[in-house]
Amino acid sequence: GAVVSQHPSRVICKSGTSVKIECRSLDFQATTMFWYRQFPKQSLMLMATSNEGSKATYEQGVEKDKFLINHASLTLSTLTVTSAHPEDSSFYICSASGVSSYNSPLHFGNGTRLTVT
Amino acid sequence: RKEVEQDPGPFNVPEGATVAFNCTYSNSASQSFFWYRQDCRKEPKLLMSVYSSGNEDGRFTAQLNRASQYISLLIRDSKLSDSATYLCVVNSNYQLIWGAGTKLIIKP
Repeated sequence: GAVVSQHPSRVICKSGTSVKIECRSLDFQATTMFWYRQFPKQSLMLMATSNEGSKATYEQGVEKDKFLINHASLTLSTLTVTSAHPEDSSFYICSASGVSSYNSPLHFGNGTRLTVT
Repeated sequence: RKEVEQDPGPFNVPEGATVAFNCTYSNSASQSFFWYRQDCRKEPKLLMSVYSSGNEDGRFTAQLNRASQYISLLIRDSKLSDSATYLCVVNSNYQLIWGAGTKLIIKP
């Protein structure tokens, strides 16, 4: 089955630093990638949708200058949390779809647990 | 009203019992539906797509009721390993809308 690799799985950083999270589709071309955030005991919250070669579409309330998304190829998307603060501590998950259709289920990376101290 | 609603649970169920989850959605034009399972501190994993005719995979049965705008998931002969949070996902206006999830705890 389709595999999505996300790295790192866990990161601890100091307040004010930036953290980059990578999401790779290993055996298919991901035309669309999604970035989610999940706080404890809450559901997934979509942050942004990125299509290869174009700017990401951010959900309302998500600061595009703080959460930089780059989808430079059909197999790689990155999320950079800039000037991280403790309230950015969360579980970040990427997912990818191999076709431009929301009728296809998503394949998820294994998530990145970010802790900002 | 939320676009996708689930009973938050938790459901505490003895091993071997049958458990049913319901998920209601507000947009009658929603196009596709999925059930995901999420273990604690892990990413969601696709459990089943939900088809109009209903579908079954082993102990799991998913059904869609468009008239009443809900989907269901039935787990028969529940196992300890079924303990997880079950999330329904609805494709609505080309957006994937996630339910908040229902936590299931299977007791020995």
